[in-house]
This record gives sequence, structure tokens and C-alpha cells, in this order.
Amino acid sequence: EVQLVESGGALVQPGRSLRLSCTASGFSFGASAMSWFRQAPGKGLEWVAFIRSTAYSGTTEYAASVKGRFTISRDNSRSIVYLQMNSLKDEDTAVYYCTREIDYWGQGTLVTVSS
Amino acid sequence: DIQMTQSPLSLSASVGDRVTITCRASQDISNFLGWFQQRPGKAPKSLIYDASSLQSGVPSKFSGSGSGTEFTLTISSLQPEDFATYYCQQYYTFPWTFGQGTEVEIK
Repeated sequence: EVQLVESGGALVQPGRSLRLSCTASGFSFGASAMSWFRQAPGKGLEWVAFIRSTAYSGTTEYAASVKGRFTISRDNSRSIVYLQMNSLKDEDTAVYYCTREIDYWGQGTLVTVSS
Repeated sequence: DIQMTQSPLSLSASVGDRVTITCRASQDISNFLGWFQQRPGKAPKSLIYDASSLQSGVPSKFSGSGSGTEFTLTISSLQPEDFATYYCQQYYTFPWTFGQGTEVEIK
């Protein structure tokens, strides 16, 4: 059974940093592309970041709203994908979801950016 | 960026009704389109990928069609558990983009 469990969400002040983790199980992690999406309170879904599988050198893509501030990375030995978030802004407040490709989603972790 | 436009943005329907949601892309995305269901307070769930392929474990009452710029999601017989918000998403090119969502409510 595919499982994705996000962690690391918290209340953080604007300008600070936070790292989210997503622990995966039930599939061949290294062979899978992984993504982060987010959903601001009462709003729709937004894609945030993507990392390709090992076969494609783990290259990355980012939404314009986070490029230069967020970094997606993966540890294939531990089946974990990370989202390092720096210079956080109020508008980054959202539930963050980890996904395998676009088919399986985690339960989400809440990030609140507020002073 | 590719704009995805869903219609309607909300609809009221009764149990047993057939429901169709439309998604239009601002440019040709071939069949690189997915449909997702999100119940209140829950994570999105993938229903359809590649415009018309049913995800494993998803009931056959859900179906998708279309290619290019026009796509539809059909629920053949609405059940209480189907009242939710539905999103389309293109993955033809980055940045991946979503439609605004269609809220399906009980009449």
C-alpha cells in the first residue's frame, strides 16, 4: 500500500525558514517523481515543486511564486522527500501536500506564516 | 502559463443524477490532464489521469473524456459520498496548473 506521510508543519514568523518532510512507503521511491502542492485556507490547489526520479538525475522544477526561496530534495536511501522553505511570507500559509507523481497524495501538513 | 478554466464553478444535484464538469485549457495539452476529488477537510484524491484513464480503485461511475483543449468529467449516478469539490489539472508543461474547482452540492 502506498503511503505518504508529511511532517514539519508549524507556525513560523515571516522571513524565517522551515523544512517539510514526506516519508514514503509501499512503492519504488527512487524510480518515482515526487511533488509538493499546497492549498491556502479556503482556496484552490497550487503546484509548488517537482523532483524527477533517479533515472532523470533528480532534476527539479518550481512554481514562480517560490523559485529562489524553496528547495525540493530527496533522500532515496530513506525514501524521504523534503521541501526547504526559506524567506517565508504570509502568502505561503497553506496545507502542504506531498505526492507521488500525481496519483497518490499524503494527508498534508499545515504551515502558518504569521507574526 | 497554461490557464485551466472549469465550468460550472458550483452545481446542485440530487442523488442518482448524472453530472458533467467541463475543463478548458488555454492551449493544446494533448491528453495530459487529471481530475481530482477533494472532500471537505481531506486531501485530494486522483480519479482520472491522461484525460480518460481511471485510477486504480476508482469506481467506474467516474469517466473522463477529451483531448487538446476541452475535457469533461462525468459522474454517472451521483451518490452521497460524491458531494465534494472537483479539480482538473494539466501536466503537459511546467508550471502545472489547476482549474478553479467545481463544488458539487446536494440539492
